Amino acid sequence: EPEVTQTPSHQVTQMGQEVILRCVPISNHLYFYWYRQILGQKVEFLVSFYNNEISEKSEIFDDQFSVERPDGSNFTLKIRSTKLEDSAMYFCASTGQGIQPQHFGDGTRLSIL
Amino acid sequence: AQSVTQLDSQVPVFEEAPVELRCNYSSSVSVYLFWYVQYPNQGLQLLLKYLSGSTLVKGINGFEAEFNKSQTSFHLRKPSVHISDTAEYFCAVTSYNNAGNMLTFGGGTRLMVKP
Repeated sequence: EPEVTQTPSHQVTQMGQEVILRCVPISNHLYFYWYRQILGQKVEFLVSFYNNEISEKSEIFDDQFSVERPDGSNFTLKIRSTKLEDSAMYFCASTGQGIQPQHFGDGTRLSIL
Repeated sequence: AQSVTQLDSQVPVFEEAPVELRCNYSSSVSVYLFWYVQYPNQGLQLLLKYLSGSTLVKGINGFEAEFNKSQTSFHLRKPSVHISDTAEYFCAVTSYNNAGNMLTFGGGTRLMVKP
């Protein structure tokens, strides 16, 4: 069964540095998402992406965040200047056309020091 | 706006006992409902979904859930749990609007199956 893959599995970064989290969605999917889960808290929506543009974003997704689909397979989340509170598990998800469930990757654990 | 409430943060249960994990939601529009499971150090795996049709839906690993529109609930059940069911379970909702179908998650319920 096709999977969403995320790299790296764990990223450690100094506060203030830029970080890029990478995702390869399922190949025929059209909608892409990023969510985050701060330790011990609920999974929170960050952004959705369709047809090469952001379709929806939460208030968490401020100017420090950006997303990109640089080629036909990758979907990236960039945090420009990381803060301690950005430490979390970041999940990528994708889904196809119509009413379908989202498929999640295993996540990237981001630790900001 | 939508919200999801999972009333129990932890549910301890003995192996082979039945279990029910509760989920209630609120929304001003029609919704579609999901349960995801998260095993330690892993991502979110879809257990089951309610999109339309029968209100009783069956998922993987022997789990089932019943959609109750009048009570705005989507409780997850399993008649006999196994040690391997120990995990975090998340209820989620979406409305599939034109802007995309972002999921709103509940806070999760940690199921702890004891021998």
